[in-house]
Amino acid sequence: GAGVSQTPSNKVTEKGKYVELRCDPISGHTALYWYRQSLGQGPEFLIYFQGTGAADDSGLPNDRFFAVRPEGSVSTLKIQRTERGDSAMYLCASSSGQGPSTDTQYFGPGTRLTVL
Amino acid sequence: GNSVTQMEGPVTLSEEAFLTINCTYTATGYPSLFWYVQYPGEGLQLLLKATKADDKGSNKGFEATYRKETTSFHLEKGSVQVSDSAVYFCALISNTGGFKTIFGAGTRLFVKA
Repeated sequence: GAGVSQTPSNKVTEKGKYVELRCDPISGHTALYWYRQSLGQGPEFLIYFQGTGAADDSGLPNDRFFAVRPEGSVSTLKIQRTERGDSAMYLCASSSGQGPSTDTQYFGPGTRLTVL
Repeated sequence: GNSVTQMEGPVTLSEEAFLTINCTYTATGYPSLFWYVQYPGEGLQLLLKATKADDKGSNKGFEATYRKETTSFHLEKGSVQVSDSAVYFCALISNTGGFKTIFGAGTRLFVKA
């Protein structure tokens, strides 16, 4: 079956612009995660959704970052007033929703964001 | 706060050599522990996991045992293949509140034929 997909695969923007990154989870997965990964580092947790609600958004770095999942499937990560330091690979993962401690997270290929 | 420390790479081995990648953690409560792998040009995928102390996770010839007394979850494989060349990430999720997965920095493995 189809895995997690993310669009676009690459996004180049200018400092100060607004960007949206999209994640399509595996069908039927109720849990969805966003991560940010800088070169040479492990993924850094941003936010976790269970259904439509953000169960844990403690990883969002500041109020320029916001994520939604209005119908409990597709999610959009929104970044306002982008800064050069936001340049990274943004990863999305989904899981069946039995519980993060035991679930297998399935990762998408990522969106590489470059802020000039 | 919770954290994961894994050995720095790159690790370069010859085919059929024994592999150990060290991982230690700091966490409150009883976290679940994971190893993820990223093959060249592919996305992250779960390799194995252990959810309680003394559990052993295993997959594709890789093993890791959850050692609470040493707060470790070292990854081992008895005989590596060229196809095992990848970046390996150790990770944890605490069970004491929140759903944040904490990843280590990753260890790159090169296996030479």
